[in-house]
Amino acid sequence: DAKTTQPPSMDCAEGRAANLPCNHSTISGNEYVYWYRQIHSQGPQYIIHGLKNNETNEMASLIITEDRKSSTLILPHATLRDTAVYYCIVSSYGNKLVFGAGTILRVKS
Amino acid sequence: DTGVSQDPRHKITKRGQNVTFRCDPISEHNRLYWYRQTLGQGPEFLTYFQNEAQLEKSRLLSDRFSAERPKGSFSTLEIQRTEQGDSAMYLCASSPGRETETQYFGPGTRLLVL
Repeated sequence: DAKTTQPPSMDCAEGRAANLPCNHSTISGNEYVYWYRQIHSQGPQYIIHGLKNNETNEMASLIITEDRKSSTLILPHATLRDTAVYYCIVSSYGNKLVFGAGTILRVKS
Repeated sequence: DTGVSQDPRHKITKRGQNVTFRCDPISEHNRLYWYRQTLGQGPEFLTYFQNEAQLEKSRLLSDRFSAERPKGSFSTLEIQRTEQGDSAMYLCASSPGRETETQYFGPGTRLLVL
């Protein structure tokens, strides 16, 4: 079973920041938080991952709470092409990924 | 740098036939994973390889399924005597197996069993 809980769906206005929450209260000390997204009929696309520090790359920012029990993925300026299913996954390095149902993000103009 | 590639992208077969899918990982990636995704669900892990060694298999991988990675490069996934319940997207992912273990996915092979 997935070790994360995400809202089933969210809407976001184009050009605004999309903030996607994830709860992972049973995360272990050696487990990372990974975010992937999947656009319809394509393979999952890696977005970002982190252990305990906040992370930022060209796609998104990842904010992890100090107790590591939850995190937020931030897409700073959402576009229509960001409409996808977003998966939050906790996994230790080298382990299989266990996907949950994810959050369907709809970006609307 | 090319990503993970999978072939074919789509396959339609009749129940009882055998099918084989191929995955080419990113160059020099030591680990290769297979996942299966049915409609409306997230991907589910099937098996993975470290170089040519198959190190873990899910209970989802019945006796009709076999995966190989003979030279530690490309991998094949064969399904024998296909059933309608095998209809799904079959995804392959690879990771470097070194300091970073981020898995990168291919586009998938969509199988329809009639």
